[in-house]
Amino acid sequence: ELKVEQNPLFLSMQEGKNYTIYCNYSTTSDRLYWYRQDPGKSLESLFVLLSNGAVKQEGRLMASLDTKARLSTLHITAAVHDLSATYFCAVDPQGGSEKLVFGKGTKLTVNP
Amino acid sequence: EPEVTQTPSHQVTQMGQEVILRCVPISNHLYFYWYRQILGQKVEFLVSFYNNEISEKSEIFDDQFSVERPDGSNFTLKIRSTKLEDSAMYFCASSIDRGEQFFGPGTRLTVL
Repeated sequence: ELKVEQNPLFLSMQEGKNYTIYCNYSTTSDRLYWYRQDPGKSLESLFVLLSNGAVKQEGRLMASLDTKARLSTLHITAAVHDLSATYFCAVDPQGGSEKLVFGKGTKLTVNP
Repeated sequence: EPEVTQTPSHQVTQMGQEVILRCVPISNHLYFYWYRQILGQKVEFLVSFYNNEISEKSEIFDDQFSVERPDGSNFTLKIRSTKLEDSAMYFCASSIDRGEQFFGPGTRLTVL
């Protein structure tokens, strides 16, 4: 059974700082997704990573995938308050299967 | 931009009652999903649906749950006899090709 571990689960950081969220998963997969969720809201798709070595950037966020290490990272550069949210990684266990397996999420708080 | 819609946004019901949660997936999408998120916890897969039949379901999706696409646009989740532990946010998602899934805003179900 696929397990997806995120760390840290809670992250409080100052504006302007950099940090990385890690997502490890237990079985082979080459499809990984990052979602953002604001309190009481739905899941907003941030990044789709479909192959080993994939790197995607949008604004202050950059995501990468290392399928050999079964690891994805979400790097935050020069954080701003608007990035405060919960970030989930989700893994497709069979590469085009019917479901996503989510990590527990990382609740990010960016303090002014 | 096309989006997944869900109704109602909040449903309150008594234990033992039947509820139907409704979703309208993105119009050209072919794969449909239900997930749930108990407050403060991770998102869990319930069921996927393709070509008018269930293609995969989780252990959570027992005989009390059913899904239907009654009219070619709506996609419904029925819980026959609700329990207290069914209280959660229920998200519908759709995808065009078993790739990236797009999530609706969710229905908050409260069972009293």
